[in-house]
Amino acid sequence: AQSVTQLDSHVSVSEGTPVLLRCNYSSSYSPSLFWYVQHPNKGLQLLLKYTSAATLVKGINGFEAEFKKSETSFHLTKPSAHMSDAAEYFCVVSDGWGSQGNLIFGKGTKLSVKP
Amino acid sequence: DTAVSQTPKYLVTQMGNDKSIKCEQNLGHDTMYWYKQDSKKFLKIMFSYNNKELIINETVPNRFSPKSPDKAHLNLHINSLELGDSAVYFCASSLSVGVSRGDTQYFGPGTRLTVL
Repeated sequence: AQSVTQLDSHVSVSEGTPVLLRCNYSSSYSPSLFWYVQHPNKGLQLLLKYTSAATLVKGINGFEAEFKKSETSFHLTKPSAHMSDAAEYFCVVSDGWGSQGNLIFGKGTKLSVKP
Repeated sequence: DTAVSQTPKYLVTQMGNDKSIKCEQNLGHDTMYWYKQDSKKFLKIMFSYNNKELIINETVPNRFSPKSPDKAHLNLHINSLELGDSAVYFCASSLSVGVSRGDTQYFGPGTRLTVL
């Protein structure tokens, strides 16, 4: 069975400093991996996804993530945090193939950005 | 234009009532989903439909019944509401069946259900 673990439930950074949100996955297949963001009282928005192409994936709003198979990790980074980045971030792994495909969500990391 | 829309945005109701949440997508996608997000923000899939046919039905009480009149709509009907049903329910859609090979799911804004 596939699973995803977000190592920090809450990360707090100062505006202008780097962001690192950690995610480890477990998968029997070659996984597809995603990061979604949820702003307060909003729906989920896709930040970026990995689908067995380039291991360094660039997303929206300056975020990127690197797929490291040897470490089973897919950490999300951003060089410089902005106040508008404050939100809940979910690491997600796909589960299976075809009609049985499914998204498995991590428990989320809340990112706070201090002025 | 809203890609995935849900109504209502908020739903407050008494225990024992029956309620429905509607979802529509204008993306031309073949597959739609319902997710439940609990008070700890944990998201779990409930159902998925492909071209009006049920393809995933996780362990969900049979009080929950999805209905897909056409591939652009997936409604969620809940009978005999219980306190534990209070959550945020998200609808989503993707282009093809399941999420193999990284199909992106597009989420609606959510419906916050409160059962009193």
